Amino acid sequence: AQSVTQLGSHVSVSEGALVLLRCNYSSSVPPYLFWYVQYPNQGLQLLLKYTTGATLVKGINGFEAEFKKSETSFHLTKPSAHMSDAAEYFCAVSDYFNKFYFGSGTKLNVKP
Amino acid sequence: KAGVTQTPRYLIKTRGQQVTLSCSPISGHRSVSWYQQTPGQGLQFLFEYFSETQRNKGNFPGRFSGRQFSNSRSEMNVSTLELGDSALYLCASSFERGDTEAFFGQGTRLTVV
Repeated sequence: AQSVTQLGSHVSVSEGALVLLRCNYSSSVPPYLFWYVQYPNQGLQLLLKYTTGATLVKGINGFEAEFKKSETSFHLTKPSAHMSDAAEYFCAVSDYFNKFYFGSGTKLNVKP
Repeated sequence: KAGVTQTPRYLIKTRGQQVTLSCSPISGHRSVSWYQQTPGQGLQFLFEYFSETQRNKGNFPGRFSGRQFSNSRSEMNVSTLELGDSALYLCASSFERGDTEAFFGQGTRLTVV
């Protein structure tokens, strides 16, 4: 069975600081991993995904994530936070039939 | 290329009523999934349809049902609404395989009073 754990329901960083959002997964099969972002009253927008191949995945808006099988982790990072990055971020793992298992989300606050 | 369209965006219903939500997937996508998002339970999978067949179902009561039409558009129905059904309902469309991302609509905000 698949599951996702996101450590930290709220993360606060200063503008220009490193963003690190943590995600650990559990999967009985090779995982497909995703990070989505959600702005208030909006749907989910894909930031990046890992399926196969290179373990360091680059996404939109300067975000990237590294798949570490030995640690069952897929942490999201961005070198320098911007005010517009303030949103809720969801890590997810999917199975073959497009069933996504989402983490509980991490709200990112960016302080000026 | 048009994105996933969900209608209506907002809905207010009374307990005991039923409601139908609609989702039009991205052109060419044949898989449509539905999710319920609440502050307490987060994002929970409701069901997934592919080529008019339900392939996957989450742990929701039978009051929650769905269907998919030949043009891949999907509807979900909730009967005998309860206060706890108040949520943001998100629809996602994708190709068949799970290694491609799901594209989400903006959701329907359902409020049950």
